[in-house]
Amino acid sequence: GQQVMQIPQYQHVQEGEDFTTYCNSSTTLSNIQWYKQRPGGHPVFLIQLVKSGEVKKQKRLTFQFGEAKKNSSLHITATQTTDVGTYFCASNTGNQFYFGTGTSLTVIP
Amino acid sequence: DTGVSQDPRHKITKRGQNVTFRCDPISEHNRLYWYRQTLGQGPEFLTYFQNEAQLEKSRLLSDRFSAERPKGSFSTLEIQRTEQGDSAMYLCASSPRTGLNYGYTFGSGTRLTVV
Repeated sequence: GQQVMQIPQYQHVQEGEDFTTYCNSSTTLSNIQWYKQRPGGHPVFLIQLVKSGEVKKQKRLTFQFGEAKKNSSLHITATQTTDVGTYFCASNTGNQFYFGTGTSLTVIP
Repeated sequence: DTGVSQDPRHKITKRGQNVTFRCDPISEHNRLYWYRQTLGQGPEFLTYFQNEAQLEKSRLLSDRFSAERPKGSFSTLEIQRTEQGDSAMYLCASSPRTGLNYGYTFGSGTRLTVV
């Protein structure tokens, strides 16, 4: 079945540094969603991208969908301690929904 | 209606026992999903309902697992003859439909521990 791979698995950054996580698929994706899960919490929906080459911004977060719709990235500018958590990408093809393995972000104050 | 509710929050059961979890989605949402998440992993798709119809079930889901959504509102997930490998967080999510900006709203989950 379709798999969505995420890198890196872990990332430690100093507060104020930037952070990027990447999501890659071997097949073309119909869409890509991004979620954030705080430690001990549940995934919270951030955004959905559907168009080839799409770029969306939410304050310090920038989301991109690749031209071939096989990859996506989430970039956080000037991280804060509130950004701590695991970031997941997810995509569906038909009724099958797949989550990536996640990138766990630690922000060092 | 403030979100997706799951009950219970925690369940400890002995191996071989049956357990049932409940999910109350956001009332306007016609789509309901069950996922399983183990430590350090992403949520794993289990099954999906549109209204009362179960439209998709993961091939990874054994026949010990069954889910229902009898009136298209709340849903139950039952695990029969639990095994230690069933220990995980069981997450329920709902959405109004697929499409632009309609992500899933997850509940807080039911953490199952099989001893």
